[in-house]
Amino acid sequence: GAVVSQHPSRVICKSGTSVKIECRSLDFQATTMFWYRQFPKKSLMLMATSNEGSKATYEQGVEKDKFLINHASLTLSTLTVTSAHPEDSSFYICSARLTSGSREQFFGPGTRLTVL
Amino acid sequence: DAKTTQPPSMDCAEGRAANLPCNHSTISGNEYVYWYRQIHSQGPQYIIHGLKNNETNEMASLIITEDRKSSTLILPHATLRDTAVYYCIVRVAVGNEKLTFGTGTRLTIIP
Repeated sequence: GAVVSQHPSRVICKSGTSVKIECRSLDFQATTMFWYRQFPKKSLMLMATSNEGSKATYEQGVEKDKFLINHASLTLSTLTVTSAHPEDSSFYICSARLTSGSREQFFGPGTRLTVL
Repeated sequence: DAKTTQPPSMDCAEGRAANLPCNHSTISGNEYVYWYRQIHSQGPQYIIHGLKNNETNEMASLIITEDRKSSTLILPHATLRDTAVYYCIVRVAVGNEKLTFGTGTRLTIIP
């Protein structure tokens, strides 16, 4: 149990386009999901906390208008990178927190974004 | 959340026990010690967590010192698939949901 999926696993796009990444909790409901970014050989950096039915909370330095987050249901959160540029190329990882019980976070497999 | 310190890298022979240390000298009384690992190009995987008692599950054992200022994650019989970056994170179990990842320890299992 507690499986989180991400789609797509890998995406290559041209500079200036927008890319949407989906994060789904497959076998549990997640009131809260988190989005992280990881550059090569670096650690994960939290970008934002996504709460179902409300606006996301962004970490300092993360542009909310560039990284649009929508958490429309208890099993799906989306991250849209708008007007992507090469510096947005990174590994994007989501996690979903159990709503009850241990409230642990379970991570998706990640999405590798390459902006040309 | 309290800060943690881990060695940047470690090697361990296949089949031997891998012991990964973590210092968290500023840990508060209500903070738990969590361990995650990240295999290359994958999302992090939860391993184990504990408050003050030693913990064991199917993946690993967690030994926390009596003063709680340090802990050790033990993989009893390391395999090549255990090669990964291991993160020790200290946080309150409820309320503060954020996980703050440090640089972790890159564990390499040697055949």
